[in-house]
Amino acid sequence: QLVESGGGVVQPGRSLRLSCAASGFSFRLYGMHWVRQAPGKGLEWVAAISYDGSKKYYADSVKGRFTISRDNSKNTLYVQMNSLRAEDTAVYSCAKDISGSTLDNYFDYWGQGTLVTVSS
Amino acid sequence: DIQMTQSPSSVSASVGDRVTITCRASQGLAGWLAWYQQKPGKAPELLIFAASSLHSGVPSRFSGSGSGTDFTLTINSLQPEDFATYYCQQAKSFSLTFGGGTKVEIK
Repeated sequence: QLVESGGGVVQPGRSLRLSCAASGFSFRLYGMHWVRQAPGKGLEWVAAISYDGSKKYYADSVKGRFTISRDNSKNTLYVQMNSLRAEDTAVYSCAKDISGSTLDNYFDYWGQGTLVTVSS
Repeated sequence: DIQMTQSPSSVSASVGDRVTITCRASQGLAGWLAWYQQKPGKAPELLIFAASSLHSGVPSRFSGSGSGTDFTLTINSLQPEDFATYYCQQAKSFSLTFGGGTKVEIK
């Protein structure tokens, strides 16, 4: 199970940190991703992190502003979002990579998501 | 980035119909492609990975085919629970990208 938290309404230029609590699988063995969906729009991949946190990847739209991280001792995935813009408004979901030890980039389990609204 | 183009953007079909959705990539993917189903207000669910491998628990009426730049999702004998939006996603290289989605509606 994946449960996101930390969403809310934030002003442009401010920061927010989202969390994703994982249970029911060996979190430390799997890569993880963040994917977002703007209201009424399609899916957009945001960031990925390897099982041990040594490799991180970002969409161009968030590179330099978002930071993905994980705490395997707490079974929790994070994304720190800085310099937020109106176009970052979306439901943010965490997703588990299908493969252990490598990032195969298929998302076999998803959380329900947390809504982030960037507005003044 | 690799661009993913899905067609059609919507399709009207009846229970029992066969539905085919196509996805074209701007660069070759080999077989690095997935298909997801999303129902309103719900998280997406993985149907197919590696172009043609059925994810655990997914009904066998769903199938995927293709390689390189052209891929297809086929739903045989459409069921009431299959009315949803379907997305393809390339898994070959970062930044990962999704198609625009295909909404399967009741005729």
